[in-house]
Amino acid sequence: ETGVTQSPTHLIKTRGQQVTLRCSSQSGHNTVSWYQQALGQGPQFIFQYYREEENGRGNFPPRFSGLQFPNYSSELNVNALELDDSALYLCASSLANLWGDETQYFGPGTRLLVL
Amino acid sequence: GENVEQHPSTLSVQEGDSAVIKCTYSDSASNYFPWYKQELGKRPQLIIDIRSNVGEKKDQRIAVTLNKTAKHFSLHITETQPEDSAVYFCASPGLGTTDSWGKLQFGAGTQVVVTP
Repeated sequence: ETGVTQSPTHLIKTRGQQVTLRCSSQSGHNTVSWYQQALGQGPQFIFQYYREEENGRGNFPPRFSGLQFPNYSSELNVNALELDDSALYLCASSLANLWGDETQYFGPGTRLLVL
Repeated sequence: GENVEQHPSTLSVQEGDSAVIKCTYSDSASNYFPWYKQELGKRPQLIIDIRSNVGEKKDQRIAVTLNKTAKHFSLHITETQPEDSAVYFCASPGLGTTDSWGKLQFGAGTQVVVTP
């Protein structure tokens, strides 16, 4: 196992609601990246947090937001949930370096179902 | 940004045979190429990665080759076993712009089925 944990494991919400997902990074890592994985597809990059600031964002609307805390754990918040937001949400932790080739280790994911 | 294409989408092999999955990428600045294995209902697990300063890397039955000129990299699994059955994803960070720094762009995945 990677040492990256996520909570909750499963979540059911209705359209229009808001959700907060949590991730604890592996010991010694300072960067958290969030990915959305729809059924049958590869993970899609949402954003990355480094030193408590957003450090790169994928093609996701502003209703997807996040935070990183001083202990490097992170939250993903999604407002105004839509049916298409149903997916497995993965966080990955890494130790940032100067070359951008740090290894990312994934948590077990949170499976979100929007009804 | 980076674009990663992965082939084939499904791969069926007999136990003991070899499996090869190929990925191509678009960003010539990319320097890191990991492969992840994802079993049903589980997290993507890093199985091997390669950086651009080498052309090949092996770890027991798994190897990855990189051709930076052609911008493609491949995963090779030898002596396949039923427990190798899973979805395999290639990825590349795409370093052409700082906005993509550390962002992994994944291929669509290859479903590998190893039959006894």
